[in-house]
Amino acid sequence: GENVEQHPSTLSVQEGDSAVIKCTYSDSASNYFPWYKQELGKRPQLIIDIRSNVGEKKDQRIAVTLNKTAKHFSLHITETQPEDSAVYFCASNSNYQLIWGAGTKLIIKP
Amino acid sequence: EPEVTQTPSHQVTQMGQEVILRCVPISNHLYFYWYRQILGQKVEFLVSFYNNEISEKSEIFDDQFSVERPDGSNFTLKIRSTKLEDSAMYFCASSEVSGSYNEQFFGPGTRLTVL
Repeated sequence: GENVEQHPSTLSVQEGDSAVIKCTYSDSASNYFPWYKQELGKRPQLIIDIRSNVGEKKDQRIAVTLNKTAKHFSLHITETQPEDSAVYFCASNSNYQLIWGAGTKLIIKP
Repeated sequence: EPEVTQTPSHQVTQMGQEVILRCVPISNHLYFYWYRQILGQKVEFLVSFYNNEISEKSEIFDDQFSVERPDGSNFTLKIRSTKLEDSAMYFCASSEVSGSYNEQFFGPGTRLTVL
């Protein structure tokens, strides 16, 4: 079946530094790539998404890039803050369903 | 701001028992989903529902699972004969338009524990 690989599984960065999380997908027909943030014990919440007709999208400190040729997309968080600590999931659509990555636990060190 | 709600927040059941997990999607949404998340693992798609029928389901969603929209507001997931490995957090989600191309809004989840 279709698959989404996500790396790293854990990322620890100093407060104020940038964090980058990478995902690759297998279905060449995928055209929607959301990123969800899940705080401990809470529901996943969409933080940004990108569609295949653009290569980059930015929203304040968060940006996502997409390389359709290589079938990978990345989440970039700049000027990280303590409230950015959470698990981040990438996903891609395949056959009308979302396939999720395994998640990245982002730890922001004070 | 409207939110997806789910009840109960925690369900404990004995192996072999039937459970029904309930969800109230956002009122003007037309697409509904169930996901599960085993503790510490990824979110896994179970099923999507649109226009009163299943539109897509995963391999996990076998004959032991069923979904229903019994009235205009509730969306339920039934597990007929629970197994130990069904223990997980179950999330309901809804979207105004197709969620395979647009934002899905998640409920707070129901933690199912099968003993």
